[in-house]
Amino acid sequence: DVKVTQSSRYLVKRTGEKVFLECVQDMDHENMFWYRQDPGLGLRLIYFSYDVKMKEKGDIPEGYSVSREKKERFSLILESASTNQTSMYLCASSSPYPGQGYHEQYFGPGTRLTVT
Amino acid sequence: AQSVSQHNHHVILSEAASLELGCNYSYGGTVNLFWYVQYPGQHLQLLLKYFSGDPLVKGIKGFEAEFIKSKFSFNLRKPSVQWSDTAEYFCAVRGYNKLIFGAGTRLAVHP
Repeated sequence: DVKVTQSSRYLVKRTGEKVFLECVQDMDHENMFWYRQDPGLGLRLIYFSYDVKMKEKGDIPEGYSVSREKKERFSLILESASTNQTSMYLCASSSPYPGQGYHEQYFGPGTRLTVT
Repeated sequence: AQSVSQHNHHVILSEAASLELGCNYSYGGTVNLFWYVQYPGQHLQLLLKYFSGDPLVKGIKGFEAEFIKSKFSFNLRKPSVQWSDTAEYFCAVRGYNKLIFGAGTRLAVHP
């Protein structure tokens, strides 16, 4: 079974703090994604990466950055956390190859971040 | 830009009622379509997907979806829902190397 793990289930941070969210997948997937999930807004893509050291902005990249130094690990960084970044953050991974799921995304359990 | 529209944000049903959740997408080319489900407190997981072939796709837990190209639709159906189907359901279409998700539909099934 594909496993996508996230470093924390719950996180509470103060405004202005630098926040790191870590995601690890064990299926050798090329693609990794960070979303935030808010009621009524569905999943909004923050950033994604299709290879090590490669990244592309999603729909809402402002206030976030990412890092992918190893294939299995994709980090989301909030440079200076703000209260409007309080949300559920979901990580996902997928393979672009037919026979390996072909873009079917596998999700982690999520990190509920509260910024006070 | 590609987009996905889910018509109902909240649906309330009694057990044994039939379910149909609407999903429309905007994309003119070859489409790959997905339905994901998120049960309370659990991961998002795949219900079913369409890539090509038979437009009626069967998924897990008795769910099915029909791809109607002329209507740009991929509606999710289940003939008889159970209390355990209470969850949030997301429709998605594949874009370039990523999925575009709809806003989700919260389904509550009452015993």
